[in-house]
Formats: sequence, structure tokens, C-alpha cells
Amino acid sequence: AQSVTQLDSQVPVFEEAPVELRCNYSSSVSVYLFWYVQYPNQGLQLLLKYLSGSTLVESINGFEAEFNKSQTSFHLRKPSVHISDTAEYFCAVSNTGFQKLVFGTGTRLLVSP
Amino acid sequence: KAGVTQTPRYLIKTRGQQVTLSCSPISGHRSVSWYQQTPGQGLQFLFEYFSETQRNKGNFPGRFSGRQFSNSRSEMNVSTLELGDSALYLCASSLVASGAGYNEQFFGPGTRLTVL
Repeated sequence: AQSVTQLDSQVPVFEEAPVELRCNYSSSVSVYLFWYVQYPNQGLQLLLKYLSGSTLVESINGFEAEFNKSQTSFHLRKPSVHISDTAEYFCAVSNTGFQKLVFGTGTRLLVSP
Repeated sequence: KAGVTQTPRYLIKTRGQQVTLSCSPISGHRSVSWYQQTPGQGLQFLFEYFSETQRNKGNFPGRFSGRQFSNSRSEMNVSTLELGDSALYLCASSLVASGAGYNEQFFGPGTRLTVL
């Protein structure tokens, strides 16, 4: 069975500071990895994904994540956060070829001025 | 292109009642998946439908059921509601179903169900 662990339930950070949200997964088969963001009273939006190829993936708004197979990790980073990045972030995994997503428990990113 | 829509957005029911939630996928999308989001259990997969057939099912009791219509719209039903069914129910659509490689899932805003 697959599982995803997000080690931090909440990460407070000041605006323009760097941030890392940690994600570890377990799976016995090949997986796809995802980061989703959820703003208050909204659904989930895909932030970035790893399917294959380059282990470093980037989003259009400055986030990046690196797939590390040996450490079974997919940590999310941003070098300089904005107030508008305040949201809950979910790491997720799916078996290749399947639509079922297994989510972590989420990390609430709180950006203050 | 319109996104995934879910109706109603908010719902209040009492224990023992049943409820039906609706999801309209993005035009052209044929796969619909449902997830339950609660503070205690987080996001959990309920089931996936494709071409009116349930393709995958999560670990939920039989009180949770769903269906998909020929126009790909989907409904989920919860019978004999319990307090623990209070949650945000999210629907996601994608072009095709499991077994066809990666297909991005697009999520709707959810239906918030409160059971009193």
C-alpha cells in the first residue's frame, strides 16, 4: 500500500524568506508524485508534478520540487515566499496508470509580513 | 472552458437522512473521481467512474455509492448519514480513466456537508 507523510502540519515564515515543505512517500511500485495547493473554501489546484525524466520540477509561480528516489522524498521549495502563498499544501502519490491519489495530511503555510 | 462544478456547495442534514451530491466534469472529460476531506482523516479516495462504470473504489462502507451518467456527470449518495460523514466532498475530472497513463485531475470547489 502507498502512503505519504508530510512531516510538518504548519510552517510559519516571513514574507520573502525561503521555505521548504517536506514530503516522504512509500510505495513498492513506480509512482507519480504531485503537490496540490488549497486556498480557503476552494478545491485543490495542481502546483507541480513528477512523472518521469528530470528529477527537478518547477511551477510557474516559483515553486520547485525534487524527486529523490533513494530517500523517497519529494520536498517542495520556494526561495522567496509572498503573502499570497498562504494556503494548505498537499503532497500526493499515485501508481502509474491509476487515477487514485493518496494524499498526505497537508502542511499549512502561513506567510506573515 | 468551464471548470468542474459541484452542487450544492453547502448542505446541512441530520443523522439518518440520505444525501445526493452532484458533479459536472469539464467538457470532454470522461473520468470522475470523488474524495472526502475531513480534519481527522484528511483527503481520502472514494471511487472513480468512467463510461458509467465504477473503475476503482476506496475503503468506505457501502453507505457511500455513486453513479455516472452518459453525459459523464456524476452523483454520489450517502445513505443513513452519521455525524462522522461531515466533510468536504471533492470531485475531480480527467480526460480518461486509469490504465491510460497519466491524466491530470482537475478538482471542483467541493460540497461541504454538515451532519447534525
